[in-house]
Amino acid sequence: QVQLVESGGGVVQPGGSLRLSCEASGVTLSTYGMHWVRQSPGKGLEWVAFIRYDGGNKYYADSVKGRFTISRDNSKNTLYLQMRSLRTEDTAVYYCAKVWVAGLFSFRAHFDTWGRGMMVTVSS
Amino acid sequence: DIVMTQSPDSLAVSLGERATINCRSSQSILYSSTNKTYLTWYQQKPGQPPKLLIYWASTRESGVPDRFSGSGSGTDFTLTISSLQTEDVAVYYCQQYYSIPLTFGGGTKVQIK
Repeated sequence: QVQLVESGGGVVQPGGSLRLSCEASGVTLSTYGMHWVRQSPGKGLEWVAFIRYDGGNKYYADSVKGRFTISRDNSKNTLYLQMRSLRTEDTAVYYCAKVWVAGLFSFRAHFDTWGRGMMVTVSS
Repeated sequence: DIVMTQSPDSLAVSLGERATINCRSSQSILYSSTNKTYLTWYQQKPGQPPKLLIYWASTRESGVPDRFSGSGSGTDFTLTISSLQTEDVAVYYCQQYYSIPLTFGGGTKVQIK
């Protein structure tokens, strides 16, 4: 059974940094493109970033570009989101999500598995 | 950016009745190279992550009850729950994965009347 588990969230002051991790079990992440999606409290879903299975292509939402970095360590079967210069509007539950098919160069694939989510609160 | 507009924001349907949710994209999300429409429907219950229901606009994910169906083409799409059950109470989102940034509709909250 495929599982994704996020960790690394918490409370941070504006301007601070956090690194989220997403560890996979039941699947070899190194062959799958991965996304981060966030959801502000009581709000809808917002796509944050994508990384190709081999780390070759990365894309970001304009709202996080230049502040967030998506990366992966395939040897650890783990996805990361390094978040810097955090703002109050970054407060959200952050989900990692796996695309449905392995070996795809493109971001054009639906997500078949989501993690449970990790809360990040940016507040002074 | 492709804007995804869902309607209604919420709806209340009697048990066993049909629920219909609409989603409109601001431009076509049909990818000519594959002839597939890159639209997904997710269901989200409180405190849970989204769950994949429908992809390619009309393909039901394995294990999803057949009372859920997706339809539409071009820029107008519909999620239909043919006979609403209590476990279907949730928020439903459409999403396009045709272009970056991937975008979601605002969500539709489905409740029992």
